[in-house]
Amino acid sequence: AQSVSQHNHHVILSEAASLELGCNYSYGGTVNLFWYVQYPGQHLQLLLKYFSGDPLVKGIKGFEAEFIKSKFSFNLRKPSVQWSDTAEYFCAVNGGNQGGKLIFGQGTELSVKP
Amino acid sequence: KAGVTQTPRYLIKTRGQQVTLSCSPISGHRSVSWYQQTPGQGLQFLFEYFSETQRNKGNFPGRFSGRQFSNSRSEMNVSTLELGDSALYLCASSRDRVAYGYTFGSGTRLTVV
Repeated sequence: AQSVSQHNHHVILSEAASLELGCNYSYGGTVNLFWYVQYPGQHLQLLLKYFSGDPLVKGIKGFEAEFIKSKFSFNLRKPSVQWSDTAEYFCAVNGGNQGGKLIFGQGTELSVKP
Repeated sequence: KAGVTQTPRYLIKTRGQQVTLSCSPISGHRSVSWYQQTPGQGLQFLFEYFSETQRNKGNFPGRFSGRQFSNSRSEMNVSTLELGDSALYLCASSRDRVAYGYTFGSGTRLTVV
């Protein structure tokens, strides 16, 4: 069965620190990969997505993610976080033959201290 | 442009009752998916509709059902409510299933008492 694992439940960083949030998935076939962010009191927003091509994808607000097929990973990175990045981050996987079904990880809560 | 609109925003129901939630997708979006979000289980896929047809269904009991209308608006229904159905129900729409990514609504917070 498909599954997504996010290693960190809660990450606390100071402003300007670098961020890396881990995401591993379990699925045997072609996958599409997503990172969503949920700011406090707001709805889920798409940060970035990977379908094919360059495994390093860039998203909004300076975020990027790298797809490493051999490791079944899609880690999210940002070189320098800001207080406004405080939010919950969700990794999601869609199997190539799964239509619109997204399997989400449990989420990582990021707190950035000013 | 207008986002995904879900109504109502909040709902309180009693065990045993039924409830209908509504979702209006972004104009031009034909795919609508529903998710249940709870602190314990996270985000779980309920079902996906495209062109008025259910294309995918998650592992939820038959009490959970949905439909999509010709204008792409979607409703989901939960019958015989249980306390465990208390959750945030999210609707997401996409232009053409997965390819463009899904835009989520703010959700309907359902509380079953």
